[in-house]
Amino acid sequence: DTGVSQNPRHKITKRGQNVTFRCDPISEHNRLYWYRQTLGQGPEFLTYFQNEAQLEKSRLLSDRFSAERPKGSFSTLEIQRTEQGDSAMYLCASSLDRTGVETQYFGPGTRLLVL
Amino acid sequence: AQSVAQPEDQVNVAEGNPLTVKCTYSVSGNPYLFWYVQYPNRGLQFLLKYITGDNLVKGSYGFEAEFNKSQTSFHLKKPSALVSDSALYFCAVRSHSWGKLQFGAGTQVVVTP
Repeated sequence: DTGVSQNPRHKITKRGQNVTFRCDPISEHNRLYWYRQTLGQGPEFLTYFQNEAQLEKSRLLSDRFSAERPKGSFSTLEIQRTEQGDSAMYLCASSLDRTGVETQYFGPGTRLLVL
Repeated sequence: AQSVAQPEDQVNVAEGNPLTVKCTYSVSGNPYLFWYVQYPNRGLQFLLKYITGDNLVKGSYGFEAEFNKSQTSFHLKKPSALVSDSALYFCAVRSHSWGKLQFGAGTQVVVTP
C-alpha cells in the first residue's frame, strides 16, 4: 500500500526562476489538495481538485502559481518567477470521495528554498 | 469562517506521564475535527477525527481526543507518553464532511526519558 508521494523532496532555486512540483496521490483517491507550510505555522490551503477539475483556489494562490491534474491522477504545482517569500514546504494530500467524513492523507512534502 | 487555536507552543512531559495537547476551535455549524502529527522532515500523519457521536475519540498509537461542545475544545490525550511521541502536533477543523482543512499553528511535544 503506497502512500502519497511527492517529488522532488527538496528544491533550491534562484529568485526569478520557475519551479514545478509533482504529487502522486494514493491510488483511486479522487480528491487532491495542495497546502503550503512555513516555519512555525500550520499548513495553509492552496487549492484542491476533484478528479481533474480544480474546484477551489485560495487567495494565497497568486497569478504566479498554477496547478493542474490533467488526467485525474497525479498533479503538478508550478511557481513562476519565484520570490524569496515562496520559500516553504509544499504539501500534497489525497482522499477518497465516499460517504462519511473524508480523511486527507499527506505526502512527505517538497521543501523549496528560493535564494 | 473557521479557525483553530493551539494555545501552547510547546508541551514538556516526562516519559510515562499523561500527555495533553490543547485545541479550541471556531466554526459555523457542526465541526469536523482532526489531529495530525508531524515528525521532522516528514509530512503529516493522521491520528484521529471527530464525527458526531461519542465525545471520546480513539485513534492511532494510543492517542485519544475529547470533544467538548460547550467549551469548543478538542484536546488530544495519551495516558502514558513515550519518548517517541516527541513531535509536532496539529489540530485542524472544517465545517463540512469534506474540503479544505484549517490548521492550528501546532504544538511541539517534548517527552523526556
